[in-house]
This record gives sequence, structure tokens and C-alpha cells, in this order.
Amino acid sequence: AQSVSQHNHHVILSEAASLELGCNYSYGGTVNLFWYVQYPGQHLQLLLKYFSGDPLVKGIKGFEAEFIKSKFSFNLRKPSVQWSDTAEYFCAVNGEANSGYALNFGKGTSLLVTP
Amino acid sequence: DSGVTQTPKHLITATGQRVTLRCSPRSGDLSVYWYQQSLDQGLQFLIQYYNGEERAKGNILERFSAQQFPDLHSELNLSSLELGDSALYFCASSVDPLAGVNEQYFGPGTRLTVT
Repeated sequence: AQSVSQHNHHVILSEAASLELGCNYSYGGTVNLFWYVQYPGQHLQLLLKYFSGDPLVKGIKGFEAEFIKSKFSFNLRKPSVQWSDTAEYFCAVNGEANSGYALNFGKGTSLLVTP
Repeated sequence: DSGVTQTPKHLITATGQRVTLRCSPRSGDLSVYWYQQSLDQGLQFLIQYYNGEERAKGNILERFSAQQFPDLHSELNLSSLELGDSALYFCASSVDPLAGVNEQYFGPGTRLTVT
């Protein structure tokens, strides 16, 4: 079964600092990878996704992620965070056919950006 | 706005009771997923429906059931509620996970509090 591990549970950064959130998955087959963001009191929004092709994917709001197959990683990055990036970030990998390709989520990383 | 709607937003009920949560997928999406988000378990997949039929089950309790109607809206029924069932319940929709990719769009969630 697939699993997703997010290394940082809580991250505090000052505005303009660079961000990198770690995500590792365990699955030997073809994977689709996602990062979702959940702003306080809101629903999950898709930040970016990787299905195939260029391993460096760009998403909304200046976020990007790099798929490194050899490391089973899909880290999220942003060069300069803003206060409005304060949110919970979830890495996810799609499951197998017998799970209807449901998403397996990591535990999430809570990001607090201070002014 | 993802295009996925869920009602109600909040639900407070007592132990032993039964509740029904409702989800309408995005226009054109045939597949509906239900997820539970709690502090201790994180985001967990419960069940998936595709075009009216159950397709996959995750960590769904026997006290919980769901269905998808001909108009593609879905309902999640939770019965014999326990305190531990208090959580956020999200619905997500996608076009067809077997189409090769599985980008899911999440609704705003229903916050269930069992007292």
C-alpha cells in the first residue's frame, strides 16, 4: 500500500523567506503526485500536480515542486513566502485501482508566515 | 470555489444518532470520493462512487454507508454516532479516475460534532 510522509509538521517562516516542504512516498508503480493547500477554515485546494513529463512542475501562487523518482520525493518550494501563505499543506499520492485511485495524504505541514 | 458543494456546513448531534451528509459534484464529474479529516487520523479515504455505483472502499466503518443518485449527487450516512466520529467530512469529485489521471476537486466540507 502507498504511504506518504511529510517531514515537517510545523514550520514558521518570516515573510520573504524561502520555503521547502518535504514529501516522500512509498510506492513502486506509476504515481500521480499532488500538493493541496488548506487555508484556515477553508477546503482543500489543488496547488500543483505531477502526472508525467517534466519533473519540475509549477503550480498556482508561485509554488513549484520537483519529482525525484530515485528519492521517492516530491518536495514543495516557494522562493519567497507571503503572510497569505499561512495554511496547512498536504502532499498526496493517488492510490491503486482497487482503491478507486483515491488519494493517500500525508499528515500535513502547518505553515505560519510571520510579518 | 471548486464547484463541489456540500451541505450542511456544520452539524451537531448526540451520540447514538444518525446523520446524512450531502455532496454535489462538479458539473461533468462522474466520480465522488468521501474523506474524513480528524486531528489524530489526518485525511482518510472512506468510499468512492462512480456513476451511481460503489467502486472502492477505504477505512469506512460498518456504521457508515453512502450512495450516489442518478443525478450524481452523493450522500454519506453515519449512524450510531460516537464521540470519535467528530471530524470534518470532505467530498471530492473527479471526471473518471480510470481516464489516466485523477485530479480531485474538494468541497468545503461538513464539520460534524458529536456530543
